[in-house]
Amino acid sequence: DIQMTQSPSSLSASVGDRVTITCRTSQSISTYLNWYQQKPGKAPRLLIYATSSLQSGAPSRFSGSGSGTDFTLSISSLQPEDFASYYCQQTFNTPYTFGQGTRLEI
Amino acid sequence: EVQLLESGGGLVQPGGSQRLSCATSGFTFSNYAMSWVRQAPGKGLEWVSGITGSGGSTYYAGSVKGRFTISRDGSKSTLFLQMNRLRAEDTAVYYCARDLVASFGVVVNDYWGQGTLVSVSS
Repeated sequence: DIQMTQSPSSLSASVGDRVTITCRTSQSISTYLNWYQQKPGKAPRLLIYATSSLQSGAPSRFSGSGSGTDFTLSISSLQPEDFASYYCQQTFNTPYTFGQGTRLEI
Repeated sequence: EVQLLESGGGLVQPGGSQRLSCATSGFTFSNYAMSWVRQAPGKGLEWVSGITGSGGSTYYAGSVKGRFTISRDGSKSTLFLQMNRLRAEDTAVYYCARDLVASFGVVVNDYWGQGTLVSVSS
């Protein structure tokens, strides 16, 4: 199975800040990497797919980059609604594994 | 409008069984692979199982292989997860999700249900 290492596990930031979350995989997955946002009590929401493609409806302040084993999710200017948990997911091989998550707090 | 609605959660004793259902609407069910993803209380997401659109191929996480069975009924546009020999560590909210093959052949879970809670406890 492909192991996912996501960091940091939690992050404190302020409205307007730029933040970056990283995800490292145990083997190369090309660009088969997705990012999800989850708010408490809600289902996850797809933000970024195939490393850097923005899902329809997701704000343009979200961006993704990387390839191989190292990936990043960036939020250019934090808005109040961005405080949530974020998960990376690889779909290169089954089982499709998720990172441990990053909780973004005010 | 795409909708996924899970049901079947509840309290079950260790060693017991539970069957989850995910009723879908708003898309051609047989055209899409589907997945189950779970989340233990206060923990992260864990992909549990997947099934192709035809139902001909199934996939499982190591933690549930041999105990859980995924299936689908195209006539009812419904996805199932049969869970046997349940353990305390299976306690989680279980989500069903649609698999979409997006750009560059990358699979994503683009629609999710609201989840159903399974609690395994004596």
